Amino acid sequence: AQSVSQHNHHVILSEAASLELGCNYSYGGTVNLFWYVQYPGQHLQLLLKYFSGDPLVKGIKGFEAEFIKSKFSFNLRKPSVQWSDTAEYFCAVNVPNRGYQKVTFGTGTKLQVIP
Amino acid sequence: NAGVTQTPKFQVLKTGQSMTLQCAQDMNHNSMYWYRQDPGMGLRLIYYSASEGTTDKGEVPNGYNVSRLNKREFSLRLESAAPSQTSVYFCASEARLYEQYFGPGTRLTVT
Repeated sequence: AQSVSQHNHHVILSEAASLELGCNYSYGGTVNLFWYVQYPGQHLQLLLKYFSGDPLVKGIKGFEAEFIKSKFSFNLRKPSVQWSDTAEYFCAVNVPNRGYQKVTFGTGTKLQVIP
Repeated sequence: NAGVTQTPKFQVLKTGQSMTLQCAQDMNHNSMYWYRQDPGMGLRLIYYSASEGTTDKGEVPNGYNVSRLNKREFSLRLESAAPSQTSVYFCASEARLYEQYFGPGTRLTVT
């Protein structure tokens, strides 16, 4: 089965710093990739997704992610974080037509932005 | 348009008690999911339902049962709660292209 690794468990940044959160997956074929965000006390919401085409995907709130197939990576970036970006971020992968557990989530990265 | 709703929001159970977590979606999605979220472990799939009338086990189904009552509702039942089932439970429904919409979660504590 596919798996997802998020190596940064907890990241602390000052406001206006740049952000890059790592995500690696373990399947060699076609995949769909997602980043979800969970603000404190809230449910998960989709931030952005990649299915095909341009490997640089832009999402909501100024976030973007780059799919690098050769590195099995889908890292999340934001040029300048705000205090309101404090949240937990989950990378997820789906292998089309693989049946059960269609979407596998990473363990999450908690981002804390200091004003 | 409420999206995905879950009840209750919080619950405390004693070991051995049973309860049902309710989930409903109003987006006419076919697929629905139950996950549990534990610190450092991300989301783990308990059960899913690809369509009305079908359910399948996910990664961690032991100790749980589910019912897909109709297209809107997908409930999760704990027959005999154990402390290891203390967690936050999320229901989700799936739109096209595997995009999932999550409910607000149920925080369950088993003592």
